Amino acid sequence: DSGVTQTPKHLITATGQRVTLRCSPRSGDLSVYWYQQSLDQGLQFLIQYYNGEERAKGNILERFSAQQFPDLHSELNLSSLELGDSALYFCASSPSGTPKSSGNTIYFGEGSWLTVV
Amino acid sequence: QKEVEQDPGPLSVPEGAIVSLNCTYSNSAFQYFMWYRQYSRKGPELLMYTYSSGNKEDGRFTAQVDKSSKYISLFIRDSQPSDSATYLCAIFTSGSRLTFGEGTQLTVNP
Repeated sequence: DSGVTQTPKHLITATGQRVTLRCSPRSGDLSVYWYQQSLDQGLQFLIQYYNGEERAKGNILERFSAQQFPDLHSELNLSSLELGDSALYFCASSPSGTPKSSGNTIYFGEGSWLTVV
Repeated sequence: QKEVEQDPGPLSVPEGAIVSLNCTYSNSAFQYFMWYRQYSRKGPELLMYTYSSGNKEDGRFTAQVDKSSKYISLFIRDSQPSDSATYLCAIFTSGSRLTFGEGTQLTVNP
């Protein structure tokens, strides 16, 4: 158990709908990352938050948005869903917002399976 | 050119073999390198972390960075069937952005 909690584990929804994925980071971690993993693609970086502020942005679609709340949990909102959005969405957390020579402990949750039908 | 490239395999070896997994990267300025293991679409599990160049060993696993060639490797000694998984290299490519390779699917046959 990595200590990163993601809900829901599985979600089936229709095209055009909106869903929210939730992530609770490891205790003490200030940074949260979101990744998308499709069948035909590797882990694609979406966005990172550090202590409530957006730190880095990847190839996140405009239909997707995220935020990190004062209690450090994060939510990824996916709207106007398309079939191609079906994927595993992972959240990861780390203590700091930047890599350190002393070590980086970035741990992943078990993911949220999203199926768009 | 992709920032991080990894041969997806698949790679199949007999139990007890030494496994070599590799990635190349595009920018010699990258300094933070990691290896993750992922079992059938479960959450990636951090295996090794290396800063800058050189080797790092942890049990049966050795991570190696060759900055002159922009090449990183993960070696698994005495491989076991339980090592069968997808192995992903990951590099901090821009500030705190962690970029993954495509992953190499490994099967260790008993």
